[in-house]
Amino acid sequence: EAGVVQSPRYKIIEKKQPVAFWCNPISGHNTLYWYLQNLGQGPELLIRYENEEAVDDSQLPKDRFSAERLKGVDSTLKIQPAELGDSAVYLCASSPGDYITDTQYFGPGTRLTVL
Amino acid sequence: GQQLNQSPQSMFIQEGEDVSMNCTSSSIFNTWLWYKQDPGEGPVLLIALYKAGELTSNGRLTAQFGITRKDSFLNISASIPSDVGIYFCAGRGGSNYKLTFGKGTLLTVNP
Repeated sequence: EAGVVQSPRYKIIEKKQPVAFWCNPISGHNTLYWYLQNLGQGPELLIRYENEEAVDDSQLPKDRFSAERLKGVDSTLKIQPAELGDSAVYLCASSPGDYITDTQYFGPGTRLTVL
Repeated sequence: GQQLNQSPQSMFIQEGEDVSMNCTSSSIFNTWLWYKQDPGEGPVLLIALYKAGELTSNGRLTAQFGITRKDSFLNISASIPSDVGIYFCAGRGGSNYKLTFGKGTLLTVNP
């Protein structure tokens, strides 16, 4: 069974440019998460989807970040415009749906460098 | 918000040695999870704990959910070079689905 797929794996952009990350969760997983991981830190949740609905986006900086999961399967996270402080690893995770006890499976992440 | 203190921050050990790391929380959790992250990869779940006092093993790994529900530890026995990586604890409290992660313990194993 394929795991969580993310692309690109690496992205280097100049500040003020837009950038987008793509995630395809494990087949059948209804819940999808986007996390931010800064160097030397654990992942921090940005947004959680239940199917196509963003049920928790309270940690998403909405002035520059946006996300969508139009058909309830794959998802895109966008930053526009990017700032130097956005350099980090962006992780996508998915789970079957019972979020209290189930397992979140992480993708390999996209490492973003903003110059 | 919830905060996790994970220690030690890093460890450098010889192959074959046992390892212990722990996490403490400022608030009560009802789930403790331990993940391992290799360079350039996402975290992979090692052990999940759902009950205070629970002791669970996965091969050479053993983790316990503290009876106060505010702490957990992970032990690795007879370490091998492939144990190298960053180990994260994560907790979840109450009816909140959200995971709070520790800052990680960087483990280096010298062959």
